[in-house]
Amino acid sequence: DGGITQSPKYLFRKEGQNVTLSCEQNLNHDAMYWYRQDPGQGLRLIYYSQIVNDFQKGDIAEGYSVSREKKESFPLTVTSAQKNPTAFYLCASSMGQVNTEAFFGQGTRLTVV
Amino acid sequence: SQQGEEDPQALSIQEGENATMNCSYKTSINNLQWYRQNSGRGLVHLILIRSNEREKHSGRLRVTLDTSKKSSSLLITASRAADTASYFCAPAGNRDDKIIFGKGTRLHILP
Repeated sequence: DGGITQSPKYLFRKEGQNVTLSCEQNLNHDAMYWYRQDPGQGLRLIYYSQIVNDFQKGDIAEGYSVSREKKESFPLTVTSAQKNPTAFYLCASSMGQVNTEAFFGQGTRLTVV
Repeated sequence: SQQGEEDPQALSIQEGENATMNCSYKTSINNLQWYRQNSGRGLVHLILIRSNEREKHSGRLRVTLDTSKKSSSLLITASRAADTASYFCAPAGNRDDKIIFGKGTRLHILP
């Protein structure tokens, strides 16, 4: 089945550690996105990529890093520089034109203790 | 890219009633999309309406677009408990290269 997969679903890390969230899609989509969602809030864009080997900062990129070495994969690293990393992280993909539907993964809930 | 602003922030209605939520935006668009998010899950695309369309239907959903007022509305008819979710709009212009969401409308269907 085609889709977008995020793993793991739940992630616990100690403060000061870097952690990488996985996002894989087999929809042959060019564009991929990472969003952060805090309780009761909307989605805020962290990074996005329109094509392999290229990505752009979103509204809240500080403390995060990404790579786009393969079309199918867009991992997000939450670094120790992110002051408040505990949140729900959502990955999405689309055909690459903004006028098309975005498909979302089921999210990763990161808790830093 | 621009961000839509959903209104109201929260809405509670009785099962069977109709639910209406609105989205306002600031600059001209090519299209506007509506998404639903169930608690703790990813967003699901509901409907896309293009700037040259005024109304679009999908099952119990009806979306309208008024480009002169820079606003859109999502109507859910005959609401069900399963409609309890947050709803987000995403307006997109021709030159936008990313999808931006607002804070959404939290809809609660009361039994």
